Amino acid sequence: DIVMTQSPDSLAVSLGERATINCKSSQSLLYSSNNENYLAWYQQKPGQPPKLLIYWASTRDSGVPARFSGSGSGTDFNLTITSLQAEDVAVYYCQQYYSSPPMYTFGQGTTLEIK
Amino acid sequence: QVQLQESGPGLVKPSQALSLTCTVSGGSISRGGYQWSWIRQHPGKGLEWIGLIFHTGSSYYNPSLKSRITISVDTSKNQFSLNLISVTAADTAVYYCARVLGRSAFDVWGQGTMVTVSS
Repeated sequence: DIVMTQSPDSLAVSLGERATINCKSSQSLLYSSNNENYLAWYQQKPGQPPKLLIYWASTRDSGVPARFSGSGSGTDFNLTITSLQAEDVAVYYCQQYYSSPPMYTFGQGTTLEIK
Repeated sequence: QVQLQESGPGLVKPSQALSLTCTVSGGSISRGGYQWSWIRQHPGKGLEWIGLIFHTGSSYYNPSLKSRITISVDTSKNQFSLNLISVTAADTAVYYCARVLGRSAFDVWGQGTMVTVSS
């Protein structure tokens, strides 16, 4: 299985500041035939299901604010939230969908709080 | 806009089977380009992928659960289902159904249903 490891486990950032979450995979998520990274990011608020933020490592899902961005390639990826808002307090997960046949795995989650 | 809703018992006895159904509304489960998946989240923990199914009935399962799970689809009812046998307390979790966007991410999620395994 591809193991996804996020860092840090928790993060406290001041309102209006930048938050960056890292995700590392145990093998490359870059598919050479289409040059796409098979990685997604989700946001989960208490009592709610996860919400897709980013897929293909850097494509924002419809309606996701532009302050959320994804970057990275291969085995090292970042989710960056510029100008943190109070409503961004949540747990964030990365997830790989590279495995074939499908065997999707998630990172352990990063809790983002306001400093 | 596609919506998913899980349904099923909230309490299951140990050694029995857990059966959940996900009803898809706002779109056809048979529409090409999507797959349908189950994911669970143990209390206070992270996310675990259980398996997925195509509208054709082809399915893939998490190897750690494969011996105990069956995912099926009923296109006439626009539903897909999860059956997990021989449950233990370790199967206590919130179970989510979700749509897989092509060969990529989970773009639509149900609200989740809490299932407790207890006598």
